[in-house]
Amino acid sequence: DVKVTQSSRYLVKRTGEKVFLECVQDMDHENMFWYRQDPGLGLRLIYFSYDVKMKEKGDIPEGYSVSREKKERFSLILESASTNQTSMYLCASSLTGVTNYGYTFGSGTRLTVV
Amino acid sequence: GESVGLHLPTLSVQEGDNSIINCAYSNSASDYFIWYKQESGKGPQFIIDIRSNMDKRQGQRVTVLLNKTVKHLSLQIAATQPGDSAVYFCAENINYGQNFVFGPGTRLSVLP
Repeated sequence: DVKVTQSSRYLVKRTGEKVFLECVQDMDHENMFWYRQDPGLGLRLIYFSYDVKMKEKGDIPEGYSVSREKKERFSLILESASTNQTSMYLCASSLTGVTNYGYTFGSGTRLTVV
Repeated sequence: GESVGLHLPTLSVQEGDNSIINCAYSNSASDYFIWYKQESGKGPQFIIDIRSNMDKRQGQRVTVLLNKTVKHLSLQIAATQPGDSAVYFCAENINYGQNFVFGPGTRLSVLP
């Protein structure tokens, strides 16, 4: 069974901490994405990557950075966590091409910043 | 990104009835669409997809209808079951690009 695995289901961090959210996929997908999900706002794209060591800003990159040193791993970094970054974070991956399209999502990390 | 509003639409249906969830997509150039289901505490899961050269596609108990004229997508669930209770998202894509744009979602509640 193919998977996108997010390392933590729940995290509680203090304001100002540097936070790492890890995501690993075992499908050899080229593309990986980080979204945040907030009630009534849907899924908003933070960053994405089409290849190793490559990254592109999404719609709401402020306060975040990413790292993709290996194809299977895409990390989201909150440089200095703030309370407005309390949210559900979803990682996804996809294969480029006409077939087998769409995203495979992880189960999410619910981050609370206090 | 777009602000899609503060209220998540909710649909309540009786168990056994058919459900219809609607989605208005934003870009007339979009040519590929997916419906996702997100259960509480889980990530979204692929349900069914449709390409713009089709207007209907059927899966197991689910049917997606596409009306390109009015940029409207619907998901029909036959004989709705308690396990169908979830938030349903539509997603659109243009020209096989890597990025999808997601709708705000609709919460489906199945009443006993």
